[in-house]
Amino acid sequence: NAGVTQTPKFQVLKTGQSMTLQCAQDMNHEYMSWYRQDPGMGLRLIHYSVGAGITDQGEVPNGYNVSRSTTEDFPLRLLSAAPSQTSVYFCASGPSISYNSPLHFGNGTRLTVT
Amino acid sequence: QKEVEQDPGPLSVPEGAIVSLNCTYSNSAFQYFMWYRQYSRKGPELLMYTYSSGNKEDGRFTAQVDKSSKYISLFIRDSQPSDSATYLCAIFSGNTGKLIFGQGTTLQVK
Repeated sequence: NAGVTQTPKFQVLKTGQSMTLQCAQDMNHEYMSWYRQDPGMGLRLIHYSVGAGITDQGEVPNGYNVSRSTTEDFPLRLLSAAPSQTSVYFCASGPSISYNSPLHFGNGTRLTVT
Repeated sequence: QKEVEQDPGPLSVPEGAIVSLNCTYSNSAFQYFMWYRQYSRKGPELLMYTYSSGNKEDGRFTAQVDKSSKYISLFIRDSQPSDSATYLCAIFSGNTGKLIFGQGTTLQVK
């Protein structure tokens, strides 16, 4: 049981490049989400999904796209990378979004955009 | 004004000390309160949750909520070096399904 797996662990991009951050979970969770974590800003929600085929925007969605074709996978696409997107990105999943339904986080992808 | 405010620290204490970590929030509609712990280069993991005013204990950890003051705290008794981590408060609104994290407080126990 691997939990939430994020790849790659580290990535360096040049401004304007695109890439996809991968997230997979093996717990059959309906809810999946992407956060970015920046110093002094805490975790901010980018996009989330409550099931296959359903996605919605979070607090900071600009510059990112998501899709959810299967329950297991929830990739995050950076369309045209900018230095402001330098951050640590976390994928999280849970049975639902609720106070007593803990989110399971991956170990993050550290992205630098030069 | 941020909906959830948390002092980022860092906080450094000697082993065995009692640690107090705090958050304030602005929306009285928030109903549920959680604490996540995040070790360096790892994702956060849920430590405790509560939904009522008062105290909830789990071993050396106590979560305290004061809804009248919109103030939540996490106390760690007999702190250990293994408690060195970043602690994030998180507040959930059942009405909106919104989960908001504080900025996180970095704790070092020497």
